[in-house]
Amino acid sequence: GESVGLHLPTLSVQEGDNSIINCAYSNSASDYFIWYKQESGKGPQFIIDIRSNMDKRQGQRVTVLLNKTVKHLSLQIAATQPGDSAVYFCAENTVLSSNTGKLIFGQGTTLQVKP
Amino acid sequence: EADIYQTPRYLVIGTGKKITLECSQTMGHDKMYWYQQDPGMELHLIHYSYGVNSTEKGDLSSESTVSRIRTEHFPLTLESARPSHTSQYLCASRSAGNTEAFFGQGTRLTVV
Repeated sequence: GESVGLHLPTLSVQEGDNSIINCAYSNSASDYFIWYKQESGKGPQFIIDIRSNMDKRQGQRVTVLLNKTVKHLSLQIAATQPGDSAVYFCAENTVLSSNTGKLIFGQGTTLQVKP
Repeated sequence: EADIYQTPRYLVIGTGKKITLECSQTMGHDKMYWYQQDPGMELHLIHYSYGVNSTEKGDLSSESTVSRIRTEHFPLTLESARPSHTSQYLCASRSAGNTEAFFGQGTRLTVV
């Protein structure tokens, strides 16, 4: 079956440092991967995505890296701020047919930013 | 801000009761999803829909049912609630060809 998972349940970083959150996946049929941020009491919020034919994608203060050889992706947050404190999930879109797919989430990593 | 709404936000209900969790979106999205999430844990897909009159079961077996009679509406029903159904239920939607899914704020269900 398919599974998406993160390596560490909790990551604690100092404000201003860079954060790296990791995720491993098992389904090679996924066409893209997404990172979501979930703050307490809220639904997940889209951060950035990456197509399976890409290795790297950058956004504002965030970079996602995809290594298909070892089925691993990571989210890098530059200059981590207190507002970045949340639970981060990786997700993959599993292709079922040409126009259908389901979004599968992995376990979350809680990012704690120390002032 | 996403235009997807879930009601109620919180629900405490007795065992055996029938409940319907509402989810509505005003973005015209074809694809809609229901996830179950325990506190601090991952999201488990329980139902999804590609459009009107299309519903599929997700990876996590669930005793709930869904319907998609209108594009904007994707309600989830539990015919007979049990304490094991206690959890948070999150609804999401996205448009075809778009990777970004928008989530509602969730319904936190407690069955006593």
